[in-house]
Amino acid sequence: KAGVTQTPRYLIKTRGQQVTLSCSPISGHRSVSWYQQTPGQGLQFLFEYFSETQRNKGNFPGRFSGRQFSNSRSEMNVSTLELGDSALYLCASRPNGLGDTEAFFGQGTRLTVV
Amino acid sequence: SQQGEEDPQALSIQEGENATMNCSYKTSINNLQWYRQNSGRGLVHLILIRSNEREKHSGRLRVTLDTSKKSSSLLITASRAADTASYFCATRSNAGNMLTFGGGTRLMVKP
Repeated sequence: KAGVTQTPRYLIKTRGQQVTLSCSPISGHRSVSWYQQTPGQGLQFLFEYFSETQRNKGNFPGRFSGRQFSNSRSEMNVSTLELGDSALYLCASRPNGLGDTEAFFGQGTRLTVV
Repeated sequence: SQQGEEDPQALSIQEGENATMNCSYKTSINNLQWYRQNSGRGLVHLILIRSNEREKHSGRLRVTLDTSKKSSSLLITASRAADTASYFCATRSNAGNMLTFGGGTRLMVKP
């Protein structure tokens, strides 16, 4: 069974641009969550999608958005990039909407904003 | 914001020794999970302990949970160089399904 796949693995963008990151969950998993990891703030929750609906949202500005498709694949978008958006973005999938199961993480997308 | 703190922030031991990492959190939880991360890559789930459990084992891993003190510990016995990684605790509250992570412990196991 293939794991969680995130694309691209590395990305360099310029301030002011926008970026879209993609996450394909494990087959059959319906819940996808996104996290941002930076040296200063650590791992922080961005949002969670389940069956194409955003169920939870972290404390991030509106420039961060996401969506989930009917095949459970998810994308997150960051508009008007700032230097501080440079981070490792991690996607995690779970089989169902319950929180008492482990999360399976992808390898992440390393975003550098210059 | 992070749920809590991990202690120590960094730990260096010799192969064969035991490694203990501690995690404290602030709010009531449904469960607590430990993850491992190798050098800026994805996180790998190690173990999940529910709020009504006190101890759990998995191979060389032993996790304890004390909900009265809002703390957990991860013990890795007979460590190996391959255990070198960052270890994170993450809590899930009863209010939502998101995981709230601690700051992590960087473990180095010297051969």
